[in-house]
Amino acid sequence: DSGVTQTPKHLITATGQRVTLRCSPRSGDLSVYWYQQSLDQGLQFLIQYYNGEERAKGNILERFSAQQFPDLHSELNLSSLELGDSALYFCASSPLFSGQTYEQYFGPGTRLTVT
Amino acid sequence: AQRVTQPEKLLSVFKGAPVELKCNYSYSGSPELFWYVQYSRQRLQLLLRHISRESIKGFTADLNKGETSFHLKKPFAQEEDSAMYYCALNNNAGNMLTFGGGTRLMVKP
Repeated sequence: DSGVTQTPKHLITATGQRVTLRCSPRSGDLSVYWYQQSLDQGLQFLIQYYNGEERAKGNILERFSAQQFPDLHSELNLSSLELGDSALYFCASSPLFSGQTYEQYFGPGTRLTVT
Repeated sequence: AQRVTQPEKLLSVFKGAPVELKCNYSYSGSPELFWYVQYSRQRLQLLLRHISRESIKGFTADLNKGETSFHLKKPFAQEEDSAMYYCALNNNAGNMLTFGGGTRLMVKP
């Protein structure tokens, strides 16, 4: 599959724990975006990385952090988990970031359940 | 602040009927609007974007800056159009997308 991949598909953990979600962008895409989809907040932008550097930040909690590695895959780290963090976390990628708008290609998502 | 509103959570129509999914936005700059679709058990995918002015799968959407709307229309709905539809706005600053709450379209036979 040459599209955006995300692992794991499902994650169940307890409050207070820390998890790492992984995303591999499409081949050649330099930008990676993270979104959170929850029942009450809908689809919300969290953060964007371009070629290893943070480029834009949305409503991302301080307990959450992300990074993009030299091979362009990205990880979203969620710590001190709360029940309200239960959501579907999507990763998307696009070719470039330079003031132009490119289509974002979405991954299948990771469903996080905090118990 | 930018905002995208989709007033209908659920829209149910019969096959062959016209369909219009509403989207309103608020943004102080010059927006770029998109429609994304999510079919059952599939990932979110781009349906169309206003700058391309294309018709995809029979769907069209026109950006109305006066009414700050970007409604999605199709003259004759098909059962395979049943899906979740999200309107999204790009702020042209960081390429981030602001999504509306989504509308579930159900096309009945």
